[in-house]
Amino acid sequence: SQELEQSPQSLIVQEGKNLTINCTSSKTLYGLYWYKQKYGEGLIFLMMLQKGGEEKSHEKITAKLDEKKQQSSLHITASQPSHAGIYLCGAVLSGSARQLTFGSGTQLTVLP
Amino acid sequence: EADIYQTPRYLVIGTGKKITLECSQTMGHDKMYWYQQDPGMELHLIHYSYGVNSTEKGDLSSESTVSRIRTEHFPLTLESARPSHTSQYLCASRQANNEKLFFGSGTQLSVL
Repeated sequence: SQELEQSPQSLIVQEGKNLTINCTSSKTLYGLYWYKQKYGEGLIFLMMLQKGGEEKSHEKITAKLDEKKQQSSLHITASQPSHAGIYLCGAVLSGSARQLTFGSGTQLTVLP
Repeated sequence: EADIYQTPRYLVIGTGKKITLECSQTMGHDKMYWYQQDPGMELHLIHYSYGVNSTEKGDLSSESTVSRIRTEHFPLTLESARPSHTSQYLCASRQANNEKLFFGSGTQLSVL
């Protein structure tokens, strides 16, 4: 089983709708990174969370790390076609020598 | 914007050919990584380097090899490409004391 589980695997929403993507681990997350990837391209850094209960926002995207530091959510408000892509969470897990472990990604489609 | 570059962006070659995927970064990062990613799948670490003349194999076994003769350059070589090597290859780098990864745009490799 994967050390970082992302859900859902894919998501199709109508433009203007809100959505949430989750990233969960059974281990403590010492650093949680959200990236966005357009199909066939590299990963673009979105946000980084480190402290339990931390929340960050950039434009219409908000990321949160729970108090126990085992789950993070990425929330998009009033989605737009430009939000479409693959969202990946990456985290430093205990015993990982500060290497990032990645989830398998969530494919987001926003219908105009 | 990240200053990390991969060439070529796309490569279609025949079975048995030797290829080298190039990755260069101008940020002075000591740590560099190669990931392999199949469509809709998670990133798999195949090689990493913590500095010049230092290379290690990652979590996923790979028939490729890497070298790190200069800090800024981390090429990946396949001596004899096979159809099973068809995939996207992503190069990344980071500072020694920061887990945030900067990614190149990737090389999409197709072996016929």
